[in-house]
Amino acid sequence: AQSVSQHNHHVILSEAASLELGCNYSYGGTVNLFWYVQYPGQHLQLLLKYFSGDPLVKGIKGFEAEFIKSKFSFNLRKPSVQWSDTAEYFCAVNEAGWPNFGNEKLTFGTGTRLTIIP
Amino acid sequence: EPEVTQTPSHQVTQMGQEVILRCVPISNHLYFYWYRQILGQKVEFLVSFYNNEISEKSEIFDDQFSVERPDGSNFTLKIRSTKLEDSAMYFCASSEISRNTEAFFGQGTRLTVV
Repeated sequence: AQSVSQHNHHVILSEAASLELGCNYSYGGTVNLFWYVQYPGQHLQLLLKYFSGDPLVKGIKGFEAEFIKSKFSFNLRKPSVQWSDTAEYFCAVNEAGWPNFGNEKLTFGTGTRLTIIP
Repeated sequence: EPEVTQTPSHQVTQMGQEVILRCVPISNHLYFYWYRQILGQKVEFLVSFYNNEISEKSEIFDDQFSVERPDGSNFTLKIRSTKLEDSAMYFCASSEISRNTEAFFGQGTRLTVV
């Protein structure tokens, strides 16, 4: 069975600081990887996704993530955070490969609450 | 931008009562899902639904739970006899049936069982 670990439960940063949120997964097969964000009172929104190809993935709002297969990691980064990045961030995986087309159920991490201090 | 909508945003119910949580998936999506998040815990998969039937369900999704697509737009989750431990945020999601797709989530329904 898949599992996802997010080791940072709550991260507090000042504006303009650099961000890295950790995500490690456990699964023996091929996975798709996702980062979702939930702003206060809003829906889960996709930040970025990795299916195959270049392991460095760029997403919306200046976020990027790097898939390191040997470390089973998919850490989220942003060089300079803004107050508006205050939100809950979720790493998720699902099983990839035939006959799955990305419709497989997601396994989520526990989430990381990010607070940006102006 | 199309989005998944859920109603109500907050539901309070007494233990033992039936609740129905409603979702309107994105119109051209064919896969539908329910997830839940108990406060302070992970977002957990409950059930996926495709072609008018359950395609997969978790062990959480026992006989007290059911899903239905009563018409061409709504997707509902029913809990027949709620328990205190059903209190959680329930998220609906939908996705296309193409390769390299992702799930789009609603904003959730907070269910409080008292």
